[in-house]
Amino acid sequence: SYGLTQPPSVSVAPGQTAKISCGGDNIREKGVHWHQQKPGQAPVLVVYDDSDRPSGIPERFSGSNSGKMATLTISRVEAGDEADYYCLIWDPSSDHPGVFGGGTKLTVL
Amino acid sequence: EVQLVQSGAEVKKPGESLKISCKGSGYTFAIYWVGWVRQMPGKGLEWMGIIHPGDSDIRYNPSFQGHVTISADKSTDTAFLQWNSLKASDTAIYYCARGGLFDYWGQGTLVTVSS
Repeated sequence: SYGLTQPPSVSVAPGQTAKISCGGDNIREKGVHWHQQKPGQAPVLVVYDDSDRPSGIPERFSGSNSGKMATLTISRVEAGDEADYYCLIWDPSSDHPGVFGGGTKLTVL
Repeated sequence: EVQLVQSGAEVKKPGESLKISCKGSGYTFAIYWVGWVRQMPGKGLEWMGIIHPGDSDIRYNPSFQGHVTISADKSTDTAFLQWNSLKASDTAIYYCARGGLFDYWGQGTLVTVSS
């Protein structure tokens, strides 16, 4: 089955840049979407199709996808960015059409 | 405003059946896929399956196929997730979400299965 690998945790000081990776075979060929989940809340889409931002999401959130790795980058990190982040792939032609990564806990020091 | 509103929390016993719902509003329900996601206590998100209400095309995660059934009623703009025989390990929060990229999410339905 297709799997997406994320680091369990990333820590960053306020004002610094956080990078969260998502690895998978041929990931460059798939559109990657990123979701933010704060404790006790439903997830929120923060980046879609590798690098696009939904309306209302700050420009500090950006994404890229190259080689075997997609990356969510959060610039000028704020305390309110502390959350779990999940990458998601949707490929309706695949035997495993939808897959989440294991999630990364972002801690703001 | 796009909204997905899910049915309320449920407490069930092992072996019982259950059907939870997700009602869409603020958009044309029939033209967007609606997916279901499981989150077990303290764990990550798991992609369960997805339905296209317009033509009832359904895709399952093989790990869930056979244990849950996904359906939709486009006349009421509602998607459903059902179990015929619950297990204690089905205890989780279940979310519905719109589209393949899940751009809007329901508030979640807590399902507790305990004897």
